[in-house]
Amino acid sequence: KAGVTQTPRYLIKTRGQQVTLSCSPISGHRSVSWYQQTPGQGLQFLFEYFSETQRNKGNFPGRFSGRQFSNSRSEMNVSTLELGDSALYLCASSLQGTSGSTNEQFFGPGTRLTVL
Amino acid sequence: AQSVTQLGSHVSVSEGALVLLRCNYSSSVPPYLFWYVQYPNQGLQLLLKYTTGATLVKGINGFEAEFKKSETSFHLTKPSAHMSDAAEYFCAVSDPNNNDMRFGAGTRLTVKP
Repeated sequence: KAGVTQTPRYLIKTRGQQVTLSCSPISGHRSVSWYQQTPGQGLQFLFEYFSETQRNKGNFPGRFSGRQFSNSRSEMNVSTLELGDSALYLCASSLQGTSGSTNEQFFGPGTRLTVL
Repeated sequence: AQSVTQLGSHVSVSEGALVLLRCNYSSSVPPYLFWYVQYPNQGLQLLLKYTTGATLVKGINGFEAEFKKSETSFHLTKPSAHMSDAAEYFCAVSDPNNNDMRFGAGTRLTVKP
């Protein structure tokens, strides 16, 4: 079974631009979570989508948004980029919500976003 | 709500020495507990997990962890460190009733030759 894939792997943007990151979960996984990882703040939860609905949300400004499609693929968008948005953005998928699930999250390799 | 505290942001051991990474959790319900490892510029990889049953769980690469309810701990150990174990390790707690997974701040393990 293919793992979680994220595209692109690396991205360079300038302040004020917007960016869209993509995540394809493991086949059969309906839950997709997004995290931001920085050296200073560590691993911070952005949001989780399940069956096309945002189910949980972290403490990030409205510039950060996401969506999930009917095939469970997810995108996250960051508008009006700031220097502080430079980070590794990780996507994780899970079987949560499926009978027998243990909530284990499977992570993609991440998208490294640099804002100049 | 759950939370996780990892004691020690950096741990350094010599090759062949015992590895002990500490994790304490807080949860209002019997939790699921996880340890993940992250190598540079990669995503997180599951090392092991505790859900129910045996409190001593064995994972990949020779790691194991013991769930101690009375101490609300889930420390990660490995008898003999290898250079390839150098990485960042994250403890996580999850509510079995939803997908709310909380991660600790991480512990960076350095292995000295």
